Amino acid sequence: SQTIHQWPATLVQPVGSPLSLECTVEGTSNPNLYWYRQAAGRGLQLLFYSVGIGQISSEVPQNLSASRPQDRQFILSSKKLLLSDSGFYLCALQPQWTEAFFGQGTRLTVV
Amino acid sequence: SQQGEEDPQALSIQEGENATMNCSYKTSINNLQWYRQNSGRGLVHLILIRSNEREKHSGRLRVTLDTSKKSSSLLITASRAADTASYFCATESIIQGAQKLVFGQGTRLTINP
Repeated sequence: SQTIHQWPATLVQPVGSPLSLECTVEGTSNPNLYWYRQAAGRGLQLLFYSVGIGQISSEVPQNLSASRPQDRQFILSSKKLLLSDSGFYLCALQPQWTEAFFGQGTRLTVV
Repeated sequence: SQQGEEDPQALSIQEGENATMNCSYKTSINNLQWYRQNSGRGLVHLILIRSNEREKHSGRLRVTLDTSKKSSSLLITASRAADTASYFCATESIIQGAQKLVFGQGTRLTINP
């Protein structure tokens, strides 16, 4: 069965510091991978999605970037965090046209 | 941009009552999915309904889909306190040549004992 690992669970970072959130998946090959951000009490905003190694599509212009160096690894990064980057970040994997599986999320607070 | 929009944004009912949440979307879809999120956690898939289906059941859950109105509803029957959570609809479609899963803003459901 597919599993998805996302870490860390919580992170407090100062403004201007770099960011690296990692997501790894097991039990599937060549899945679609997604990064979402969720503001408090709101829905999920799609940030990036990837259909394969090295293939990244960005949904909104922002201070963040994503990379997929391996089939089962999806990384969200920033060179310099902004206060507005605070939020709950969720990684998800999705075999085509079926349900998505979510990680437990990373709550990022930029101070 | 958000594809699905849930209605209402918040719903509070008594235990044992039925809860109905609605979702509207804008573009053609391959399928529509409903998810549940407990506070501060990841999302858990509840049910998927394909564009050629009109109704689907899973336990106490009933989902309908009306593609002509671009809307879906999630009904939870005989609600329990443990059903308290946020519920999201998500539409899966090909947008600009890419398969995407796009979520709405969610409905916060509170079941009062």
